[in-house]
Amino acid sequence: EPEVTQTPSHQVTQMGQEVILRCVPISNHLYFYWYRQILGQKVEFLVSFYNNEISEKSEIFDDQFSVERPDGSNFTLKIRSTKLEDSAMYFCASVPGTDSPLHFGNGTRLTVT
Amino acid sequence: AQSVSQHNHHVILSEAASLELGCNYSYGGTVNLFWYVQYPGQHLQLLLKYFSGDPLVKGIKGFEAEFIKSKFSFNLRKPSVQWSDTAEYFCAVNAVGRDDKIIFGKGTRLHILP
Repeated sequence: EPEVTQTPSHQVTQMGQEVILRCVPISNHLYFYWYRQILGQKVEFLVSFYNNEISEKSEIFDDQFSVERPDGSNFTLKIRSTKLEDSAMYFCASVPGTDSPLHFGNGTRLTVT
Repeated sequence: AQSVSQHNHHVILSEAASLELGCNYSYGGTVNLFWYVQYPGQHLQLLLKYFSGDPLVKGIKGFEAEFIKSKFSFNLRKPSVQWSDTAEYFCAVNAVGRDDKIIFGKGTRLHILP
């Protein structure tokens, strides 16, 4: 069964550095999402992406965050200048269309020191 | 905006006990409902979903959930739990026709004693 894949599985970075989290959604899916889960807290929606543009973003997704689908297969999340509170598990998800369950990747654990 | 409430943050049961995890949502329109599970050290996996039709839906590993529209609820049940069911369980809702994102509850951590 096709899967959403995310790399790296664990990223450690220093405060203020830029990070790029990478995701390869399932190939025939059209909608892409980033969620995050701070340790011990709930899964939070960050952003949804469709037709090469952001369709919705949460208040968490401020100017420090950006998403891109650079080559038709990868879907990246960039954090320009990381803060300690960005430490979390970041999940990528994709769906073939709306009203479908999300297919999640394994997540990238981001640790900001 | 829609929201999801999970009543129990931490549940401890013995093996073979019956399980019911509560989930309520707030949205007056048509919804799609989901339960996801996250086993220790693993990613989120779909347990079951409700889109329409029979309000009693069956998922993997013997789980089921019942959609009660009048109560805005979608409780997860399993008649006899196993040690391997130890995980965190997340209820999630999508407001049909409103937006395409899914909102998660805060999760219920289930610990099964062997």
